[in-house]
Amino acid sequence: DGGITQSPKYLFRKEGQNVTLSCEQNLNHDAMYWYRQDPGQGLRLIYYSQIVNDFQKGDIAEGYSVSREKKESFPLTVTSAQKNPTAFYLCASSLQGAFAEAFFGQGTRLTVV
Amino acid sequence: AQSVTQLGSHVSVSEGALVLLRCNYSSSVPPYLFWYVQYPNQGLQLLLKYTTGATLVKGINGFEAEFKKSETSFHLTKPSAHMSDAAEYFCAVSGANTGFQKLVFGTGTRLLVSP
Repeated sequence: DGGITQSPKYLFRKEGQNVTLSCEQNLNHDAMYWYRQDPGQGLRLIYYSQIVNDFQKGDIAEGYSVSREKKESFPLTVTSAQKNPTAFYLCASSLQGAFAEAFFGQGTRLTVV
Repeated sequence: AQSVTQLGSHVSVSEGALVLLRCNYSSSVPPYLFWYVQYPNQGLQLLLKYTTGATLVKGINGFEAEFKKSETSFHLTKPSAHMSDAAEYFCAVSGANTGFQKLVFGTGTRLLVSP
């Protein structure tokens, strides 16, 4: 079945450590996205990529980094520079175009202690 | 620039009652509008979308929404609520001229359904 796989579902890290969240899709979509979700704030865009080897900062990119070496994969690294990393992280993909439906993964809940 | 306002962070209805979730948008270009549903600890699933054409859009699970340009609204309705509709609902907008889907989401409305 086609879809987006995020792993792991739950992740615990100590403060000051970098952590990488995985996102893989087999939908043959060019565009991929990372969102952060906090209670009462909706979804905020961290990074997005329209094509392999290219990505752009979203609205809250500080403290995060990404790579897009393969069409299927768009990993997100939460660095120690992110001041408040505990959140629910959602990866999505879509065809190109503003009309296209975004397909979401099941999310990764990151807790930093 | 685009933005979305969802009125009411929580909406409570009884099973069988009408569901109405409000969404108003702001967009400097013709908007594309979306409603997504999220169940606890899950990703988002598309309910319906408006791009062009018919302003009344039907989606999955009996939901529909009407695009009203004069009111800059895209409210979500369902004639009869079911217990399984309890979830969080997000309205989102993208711009028709961007050539790329950069969704702007509202803050969400949690729908509570009581027996």
